[in-house]
Amino acid sequence: DAGVIQSPRHEVTEMGQEVTLRCKPISGHNSLFWYRQTMMRGLELLIYFNNNVPIDDSGMPEDRFSAKMPNASFSTLKIQPSEPRDSAVYFCASSFEVAGGGETQYFGPGTRLLVL
Amino acid sequence: QKEVEQNSGPLSVPEGAIASLNCTYSDRVSQSFFWYRQYSGKSPELIMSIYSNGDKEDGRFTAQLNKASQYVSLLIRDSQPSDSATYLCAVSGGSNYKLTFGKGTLLTVNP
Repeated sequence: DAGVIQSPRHEVTEMGQEVTLRCKPISGHNSLFWYRQTMMRGLELLIYFNNNVPIDDSGMPEDRFSAKMPNASFSTLKIQPSEPRDSAVYFCASSFEVAGGGETQYFGPGTRLLVL
Repeated sequence: QKEVEQNSGPLSVPEGAIASLNCTYSDRVSQSFFWYRQYSGKSPELIMSIYSNGDKEDGRFTAQLNKASQYVSLLIRDSQPSDSATYLCAVSGGSNYKLTFGKGTLLTVNP
């Protein structure tokens, strides 16, 4: 299997611009997670989907962030407008969850975002 | 708010020694516990999972869980320089699939 695929791997943009991060989960997985990692805050869950439905978006920092999962093989995380404090590594992870959860999450390589 | 606490380190051990990494969690209903390893500039990768009290061994790695004390640990025997990385403790539980991560412990194994 190809693993979780993320694009772009690196993104440099200017404050105020729209940023779109993309993720393709592992085929057959039914749950998808977006995380943000910074030195100060560590690895934080932003949102997760189960069977393409957003289940918990309580980690999304504010309305500038939005996420979609139009089908089982694709998800996007959008930041509009971007701000310098959004600079971080954004990871996508997927898993096959059965009732009650707790299954292994597999991480993509991440997108390193720098907002100038 | 679930919390997962780890010693921030850095933890430095000589090659061949045992490295001990510790983690405590706040939510008593937590059911699943994971240790991820993250090399600098890379993504986290799972190295151990544990679901019941006691020890679980996999090669040089042993995970220990004590739910009464809300404590989980990872022992690395015969530490190698290639074990140098940040180790993340993660916890999930209840009725959802969310993982809560600690901030990680940086381990350095010196040749």
